[in-house]
Amino acid sequence: QVQLQESGPGLVKPSQTLSLTCTVSPGSLSSDSYYWSWIRQPAGKGLEWIGRIYTSGSSLYNPSLKSRVTMSVDTSKSQFSLKVTSVTAADTAVYYCATTVLTEAFDYWGQGTLVTVSS
Amino acid sequence: EIVMTQSPATLSVSPGERATLSCRASQSVSSNLAWYQQKSGQAPRLLIYGASTRATGIPAKFSGSGSGTEFTLTISSLQSEDSAVYYCQQYNYWPTFGGGTKVEIK
Repeated sequence: QVQLQESGPGLVKPSQTLSLTCTVSPGSLSSDSYYWSWIRQPAGKGLEWIGRIYTSGSSLYNPSLKSRVTMSVDTSKSQFSLKVTSVTAADTAVYYCATTVLTEAFDYWGQGTLVTVSS
Repeated sequence: EIVMTQSPATLSVSPGERATLSCRASQSVSSNLAWYQQKSGQAPRLLIYGASTRATGIPAKFSGSGSGTEFTLTISSLQSEDSAVYYCQQYNYWPTFGGGTKVEIK
């Protein structure tokens, strides 16, 4: 059983950088077999995969967001992080962290955190 | 980008009946297809992966089928707790999700 919990500011001003952290169950980040993803969902809309990172640091981003997204991992803190630069109102969404452990699909999810971009 | 298209957008079903949800991929994703259930205010929950394999703890009332570009999720004997939005997602390349099907119980 892997537990994930998102944290970070709930309000970000336009043009600034959105920063979120996902804290996972201790020891879960020790395996490079899993990859750790961020997924977002605007209110009333569908799901959008943002990108993923392996414990080794290797990453893959959604091409539509690639120029603004950076992910990192800190195994000592059992955390991985997301940064999205130059945010606009279109980045307002619930942000989820998720992972693939038992399957190649997203079998574990955090509860999600709402980020609003507004001045 | 592989585009996933779900139909119908909304499905209204009587209790005890069966619901059939469709998902189409813009190109073949082999069997790299998952289904999720999302209830209001909650994170999605994995139901099916590999197009037809139920995830841990998922009851047999949920079944998936298909391969290539056409997929189906069937929910038998619908109950009120099955009211949710259901998403398909391919993971053949970088992941993309369908727009969802909202299942309502009459």
